[in-house]
Parts: sequence; C-alpha cells; structure tokens
Amino acid sequence: KAGVTQTPRYLIKTRGQQVTLSCSPISGHRSVSWYQQTPGQGLQFLFEYFSETQRNKGNFPGRFSGRQFSNSRSEMNVSTLELGDSALYLCASSLPDRGSYEQYFGPGTRLTVT
Amino acid sequence: GENVEQHPSTLSVQEGDSAVIKCTYSDSASNYFPWYKQELGKRPQLIIDIRSNVGEKKDQRIAVTLNKTAKHFSLHITETQPEDSAVYFCAASIRWDGGSQGNLIFGKGTKLSVKP
Repeated sequence: KAGVTQTPRYLIKTRGQQVTLSCSPISGHRSVSWYQQTPGQGLQFLFEYFSETQRNKGNFPGRFSGRQFSNSRSEMNVSTLELGDSALYLCASSLPDRGSYEQYFGPGTRLTVT
Repeated sequence: GENVEQHPSTLSVQEGDSAVIKCTYSDSASNYFPWYKQELGKRPQLIIDIRSNVGEKKDQRIAVTLNKTAKHFSLHITETQPEDSAVYFCAASIRWDGGSQGNLIFGKGTKLSVKP
C-alpha cells in the first residue's frame, strides 16, 4: 500500500497570508490527524478528523482549521500567518474503527513564514 | 490533560551497547503507548507500541516495558548500531475500538547517537 502523502512538501509564505496543506491517508484509513512539529515545542496535536467530522482538537487558536473529504483526504488551513507558525506540519492516518491504534505519518510540509 | 515527560534529552552510546529511554505520563486513563523514530529530515516512524494490558513487548533488538502503577514506560535498544542514531519520541493516548480521546501526546524526544 502507498503510504501517507502530503503536498506541498515545502512552502514559503509571508506574514498575514493564509495557507492550505493537503494530506492523503493510506488507502482504507478513515482517520487523519494533524500535528505541528517545532524545535521548541516538539510534536503537538492540532486536530483529528474521522468520517468528515472533527473528532478531537488540540490547543491551537482558531486560525488553524481543517476539513476532511468523503475520500478521507484532509486539508488544514492556517489564516493570518504569524512568524511562529513556521514549522513542520505532519499528518498521520489510522484505522481506529478496526481496533488498530497505530498512526502512520506522512513526510510533512515544511512551512516557512517570513 | 495528559503530560508526557521523556528522559534523557540526549544519549550517546558505543556501538554494541544498550540504550534505554524513559517516559512518564500523568493521565492514568492512558492505555496506548507508541514509540517513534525520526531520522533527520524524515517522517516519524512507528517502531514499537504497547497497550496497557501488556507489561512488556519485544521486537528483535527493541523492547518496551510498561509500569502502569508508576505510570512510566521505557524503550530498550540492545546491540545498538550506527543506523539506530535518530531522535526517538514516546507518546501516550487514550484509545478504544472505534475511537480516541485527544490523540497522541508526545514527549520532547531523545537524540540518540551511536558511535562506531
């Protein structure tokens, strides 16, 4: 099976702009979670989508949002970018409805805000 | 909410030695504990995990132990090799068949260096 894929892999944006990142889960996986990774804060959970519904949400401001489509692909959006949003954004897919707890990560999108 | 502490932050060993990384968690309801390995510039990769109904799990040179009473779990790597050099993350979560709560909470990571 193909692994989790994310596009784009690299992105440079300016403060105040908005950005949309995309994640395609492993075929058959219906849950997609998003994480932000920074050197200072490590890996932090943003939100989880399952069957097109946000099921869990981390402690991030409302500028961070997401959605999931009927084919399980997910997007996350960050509006009004700040310098502190520069990070590696990772998505992970899993099959929680099959008793499988494992999450498999994509390669990430490296976002740089200038 | 859940909090995961991981120690040490850096670990240097000689090739062939063992390496141990320890994590503690705060929420006694957590029942799923995965470990991820992340090489420089690459995605985190799941290397082993353990559920709260098991005390120990082993996969070749890697083992994980869980002490629910003390709320800590550890990763053991034996006969380390240079290719084991990476950052290792522990995580904790509350999961049940068909659902989860709050997703994975990660430790800050341990940078393991294996010297040839």
